[in-house]
Amino acid sequence: EPEVTQTPSHQVTQMGQEVILRCVPISNHLYFYWYRQILGQKVEFLVSFYNNEISEKSEIFDDQFSVERPDGSNFTLKIRSTKLEDSAMYFCASIEHRQLSSYEQYFGPGTRLTVT
Amino acid sequence: AQKVTQAQTEISVVEKEDVTLDCVYETRDTTYYLFWYKQPPSGELVFLIRRNSFDEQNEISGRYSWNFQKSTSSFNFTITASQVVDSAVYFCALKGGETSGSRLTFGEGTQLTVNP
Repeated sequence: EPEVTQTPSHQVTQMGQEVILRCVPISNHLYFYWYRQILGQKVEFLVSFYNNEISEKSEIFDDQFSVERPDGSNFTLKIRSTKLEDSAMYFCASIEHRQLSSYEQYFGPGTRLTVT
Repeated sequence: AQKVTQAQTEISVVEKEDVTLDCVYETRDTTYYLFWYKQPPSGELVFLIRRNSFDEQNEISGRYSWNFQKSTSSFNFTITASQVVDSAVYFCALKGGETSGSRLTFGEGTQLTVNP
């Protein structure tokens, strides 16, 4: 069964450093998402991406964040200058465009980001 | 604005007991979708069920059942004859329709512990 993959599974970085989290959505999916989950808290929406542009973003997704689809398979989340409060699990998700109305999102296994 | 409330932070039961996880939602949309996800200790998000707002029929899948009541804006999840492997955090989530974009709004989650 096709699945969303994410790399790395765990990233440790120092405050102020840039990090790039990578996702490979399911191959025929066209709509992509990033969510984050601070330890012990709920899952929060960050951004959705379709047709090579951001379609929706939350108040969390400020200028420190950016997303990109650099090629036909990868979808990345960049944090330019990490803060301690960016420490969280980051989930990538994707959906087939034609299923958008019924909306079953497929989530990747997550990348745990630890900022020290 | 959309909101999902899971009032039960933690539930602890003994194996073979039945347990119900509560979920109450708020949305202004007339069409919307409700979901349950399971997050085991390994951290991934496992999709369990999707329910459309125009379909109030309850659903049963093995030991799992879901009770959707629009009149009370609730979408409760029952596990019958619980097992230790059911121990996880369970999230209820909402996706709005016409006014709310395509993001998923998650509740705070309920930590279920099933003891042998």
